[in-house]
Amino acid sequence: SQWGEENLQALSIQEGEDVTMNCSYKTYTTVVQWYRQKSGKGPAQLILIRSNEREKRSGRLRATLDTSSQSSSLSITGTLATDTAVYFCATDVSNYNVLYFGSGTKLTVEP
Amino acid sequence: NTKITQSPRYLILGRANKSLECEQHLGHNAMYWYKQSAEKPPELMFLYNLKQLIRNETVPSRFIPECPDSSKLLLHISAVDPEDSAVYFCASSHGTVNTGQLYFGEGSKLTVL
Repeated sequence: SQWGEENLQALSIQEGEDVTMNCSYKTYTTVVQWYRQKSGKGPAQLILIRSNEREKRSGRLRATLDTSSQSSSLSITGTLATDTAVYFCATDVSNYNVLYFGSGTKLTVEP
Repeated sequence: NTKITQSPRYLILGRANKSLECEQHLGHNAMYWYKQSAEKPPELMFLYNLKQLIRNETVPSRFIPECPDSSKLLLHISAVDPEDSAVYFCASSHGTVNTGQLYFGEGSKLTVL
């Protein structure tokens, strides 16, 4: 596996709280993508971050990428119940735009 | 996401043969089949670019992909096994040269009896 975590992680928080999810990867990469998958749906991209960016924001989302520690994080501020989903980090080590997904974090935001 | 349509959405099989279909209306050159088992991340099965099969991960031979044109992707399944129970996602991207976003369909859920 490309990723450090082997099993789906689970987090449960209250609406309005902030949350940070982490991924660590084994093979060097310069691009990490974060996807969200709601129940019964396909994954949808949230953020793509490159190594020269270190940090990228999109609305309430903030992603970081640290190539020295081979890790990436996704933070959500002011969570909403609609943020309930599984969040995956993903990267391409194939040079064919093939995404390999981490094991994911199942986030439940209670209203 | 109505720009990538998959059919059927739900499929219950014994040891029959069946095909999954996918069509994308995004004008993309690359199309993918991913398999997602329960509580697991999606895993690549096949990748086509410009109708050519360029990635074929370790997949049982009972799964046969077909790309009749650049907007359509099929997955033929024969003599399914219980371990094949999963959701099969079709995805597409602009191409394969640069790392970019994948767009996923809503999946076809296969249940093997």
